[in-house]
Amino acid sequence: GQGVEQPDNLMSVEGTFARVNCTYSTSGFNGLSWYQQREGHAPVFLSYVVLDGLKDSGHFSTFLSRSNGYSYLLLTELQIKDSASYLCAVRGPKGLTFGLGTRVSVFP
Amino acid sequence: EAGVTQSPRYAVLQEGQAVSFWCDPISGHDTLYWYQQPRDQGPQLLVYFRDEAVIDNSQLPSDRFSAVRPKGTNSTLKIQSAKQGDTATYLCASSPLQLSYEQYFGPGTRLTVL
Repeated sequence: GQGVEQPDNLMSVEGTFARVNCTYSTSGFNGLSWYQQREGHAPVFLSYVVLDGLKDSGHFSTFLSRSNGYSYLLLTELQIKDSASYLCAVRGPKGLTFGLGTRVSVFP
Repeated sequence: EAGVTQSPRYAVLQEGQAVSFWCDPISGHDTLYWYQQPRDQGPQLLVYFRDEAVIDNSQLPSDRFSAVRPKGTNSTLKIQSAKQGDTATYLCASSPLQLSYEQYFGPGTRLTVL
C-alpha cells in the first residue's frame, strides 16, 4: 500500500525559511507533488519531482531521495502570506495519495 | 481559462438524507477525480474517471456512494443515505491524462451531516 507522513505543524519567522518534510512508502513510485492549501480553499499545485536531487523553483524548492522515501519542500524568504497547509502527495498505481498536510505559520 | 467548478458550495443534512454534488472540470481535461477531505486531514481519493470510464473506485463506499460521468465531461457524486461520518469537504479535481500529477481542484462542497 501507500503511506505518506508529514509533521503536523511548523512555525517560522518572516524573512527566514521553512522546510516541510515528507516521508513515504509506496509499492510503485511514479513521482511526488506538493500542494499549498489555504484555510477554506482548495489545494493548489506547487511542484512535481520524479528524479533525485534538488529542484529550485525560486521561492519554492523541492528535494527528493527515492532510496530513502523522503522529500522536502523548502520555502525561502518567507512572507506572512505563505502561512498555509502544505500537502505532500505521492503518485502511485492508484493515483495520488496525500499526506495529512503540514500547517506552516509565519510570524512577523 | 475557466477553472473547475462545483456546486453546491455548502450542504447541511440530517442523517439518512440523500445529497448530490456536481462538478464541471476544465475543458479538455479527460481525467476527473473526487476526493473526500475531513477537517484537518489531506484529501482522500474516492473515485476517478478517464473520460466516461471509472478507472478506480476502490475507496468509494459502494453501499451509499455513487459517481457518474456519462458524457466524459461533467460528473455527479451522490450519497444515498448520509451518516455523520460523511461530514467533510468533497473536492473535485481534473487533469490532462499525461499530467495527472498536476491536478486542478474546484472550490469544494462542504458537507455537514447532523
